[in-house]
Amino acid sequence: SQTIHQWPATLVQPVGSPLSLECTVEGTSNPNLYWYRQAAGRGLQLLFYSVGIGQISSEVPQNLSASRPQDRQFILSSKKLLLSDSGFYLCAWSVGYYEQYFGPGTRLTVT
Amino acid sequence: GNSVTQMEGPVTLSEEAFLTINCTYTATGYPSLFWYVQYPGEGLQLLLKATKADDKGSNKGFEATYRKETTSFHLEKGSVQVSDSAVYFCALSDPRSFQKLVFGTGTRLLVSP
Repeated sequence: SQTIHQWPATLVQPVGSPLSLECTVEGTSNPNLYWYRQAAGRGLQLLFYSVGIGQISSEVPQNLSASRPQDRQFILSSKKLLLSDSGFYLCAWSVGYYEQYFGPGTRLTVT
Repeated sequence: GNSVTQMEGPVTLSEEAFLTINCTYTATGYPSLFWYVQYPGEGLQLLLKATKADDKGSNKGFEATYRKETTSFHLEKGSVQVSDSAVYFCALSDPRSFQKLVFGTGTRLLVSP
């Protein structure tokens, strides 16, 4: 069966520090991968999606970036965090034209 | 563009009450429709789905019917439990957009004993 992992589960970082969040998927090949952000009490905002290794599409211009170095690995990064980057970050995967499956999320607090 | 509108929350019910959470959508083409549930501090879980008009998705006592004529996908449950307390998201996908999901803003459900 397929599983999706995210780490870390929680993170507290000062403003201006770098960020690296990792997501890995097991049990499937060539998935579509997604990064979402959920601000407190709000809906989900799609940040990036990827349909293959090295292929990244950005939905919202910001100081975040994403990379996909391996088929089932998706990384969200920032060189300098802003206060507004705080939120709950969710990774998801899908295969073909089907529903998305979400990871457990990473709660990021920028202080 | 595609969009999803959900009823504002929170929805507060007593245990064993009937639940309806309204969801309407705007879309080009023929989207698939989904309900996701998010328990506190967790990621989203797929609750049910429907891929074409008049399909009924169901899971764990929850149901929703894809109504093309009213562009709706309302979530219902006949008898809610305290453990159903969570945030519920309606979403649609358009296969022409790399399977990107468009989410509603979510509806918080609070069930008291």
